[in-house]
Amino acid sequence: NAGVTQTPKFQVLKTGQSMTLQCAQDMNHNSMYWYRQDPGMGLRLIYYSASEGTTDKGEVPNGYNVSRLNKREFSLRLESAAPSQTSVYFCASSRGADSDYGYTFGSGTRLTVV
Amino acid sequence: DQQVKQNSPSLSVQEGRISILNCDYTNSMFDYFLWYKKYPAEGPTFLISISSIKDKNEDGRFTVFLNKSAKHLSLHIVPSQPGDSAVYFCAALGQGGSEKLVFGKGMKLTVNP
Repeated sequence: NAGVTQTPKFQVLKTGQSMTLQCAQDMNHNSMYWYRQDPGMGLRLIYYSASEGTTDKGEVPNGYNVSRLNKREFSLRLESAAPSQTSVYFCASSRGADSDYGYTFGSGTRLTVV
Repeated sequence: DQQVKQNSPSLSVQEGRISILNCDYTNSMFDYFLWYKKYPAEGPTFLISISSIKDKNEDGRFTVFLNKSAKHLSLHIVPSQPGDSAVYFCAALGQGGSEKLVFGKGMKLTVNP
């Protein structure tokens, strides 16, 4: 089915380890986003990419890096994981500013840092 | 400072009754508002939206009302069904053309059979 695919679905890391969360969309969307969801905090934007080749910081970018590899793929990297990064991570995409503003979300990556 | 607020963390209603979910915002630059629905272990899915030039938008059992002067919007679900039980997020867009959505904290709706 068309949509946003995130891998992995679950991951446990030790403090200080690094990992990359992968995201790919097959809807030819221009914009892609990474959010984290924490209990009582809602969805907070980490980074976004308005178009291929551009990335910008969101509300909570510290401790993360991103790469917009091509139009389809947008990865999120944790260089040195910390327990505070335990969260559920969602990738999303949209057509961009000229769309009906609806985002399509992936099913999430549940990350635990011990 | 939170720009989109969903002050009630949860709501429980009986099947067949109306569910009213409220959302307030502080940024007058927001000009488009959306509701997302999220089931456990799934990503949020788009439910309904409203532009700031309107005060009401309907889609089947779902209606969103916008009161710009009060910076308040609400989602009405009539009649509520057990399958509507989920977390609902209010989101806003705008800020001078920005396409980044700003989400509220979410509200858990439980519809009892």
